Amino acid sequence: DVKVTQSSRYLVKRTGEKVFLECVQDMDHENMFWYRQDPGLGLRLIYFSYDVKMKEKGDIPEGYSVSREKKERFSLILESASTNQTSMYLCASSLLGLGKTDTQYFGPGTRLTVL
Amino acid sequence: AQKITQTQPGMFVQEKEAVTLDCTYDTSDQSYGLFWYKQPSSGEMIFLIYQGSYDEQNATEGRYSLNFQKARKSANLVISASQLGDSAMYFCAMETGTASKLTFGTGTRLQVTL
Repeated sequence: DVKVTQSSRYLVKRTGEKVFLECVQDMDHENMFWYRQDPGLGLRLIYFSYDVKMKEKGDIPEGYSVSREKKERFSLILESASTNQTSMYLCASSLLGLGKTDTQYFGPGTRLTVL
Repeated sequence: AQKITQTQPGMFVQEKEAVTLDCTYDTSDQSYGLFWYKQPSSGEMIFLIYQGSYDEQNATEGRYSLNFQKARKSANLVISASQLGDSAMYFCAMETGTASKLTFGTGTRLQVTL
């Protein structure tokens, strides 16, 4: 079974702090993704990566950056956290393929509160 | 641009009854995939079912089936014989293009009652 783990389930940070959210997958997947989930808005893609050291902006990259130094690990960085970044953050991974093999497998999520 | 629309913010269904969750999509791509995910209160997104745009048969996975109507651009999820454990948020999503990017709808919260 694919396993995607995230470093924290709950996180509380202060405005202006630098925040790191870590995600690790154990299935040798090429693709990794970071989403944020807000009530009434569904999931929105922040950044994704299709290979080590490769990254592409998603729909809402402002205020975020990412790092992928190893295939299994994808980090989301909030350079200077703000209260409007309070949200649920979900990491996912998938094989590079077509159709059903593209299925994204998700981690348990990190609920971040910025005070 | 790709768009997924889920018009039912909340649904109720009685245990053992069938329920249909609506999903319509918009894309100009000819090749795409449609996914349904379940999110229980624990927060984790669980993959349920997949339908490819060129698949001629509707997808089925146990009690889940996808009613795919390409001309109407709809991909409704049907859950048969609902169980209390089916109470959750359900998201429809579409994948087009490269790198498996998904566009999600806003979700439907399903409550199964006794």
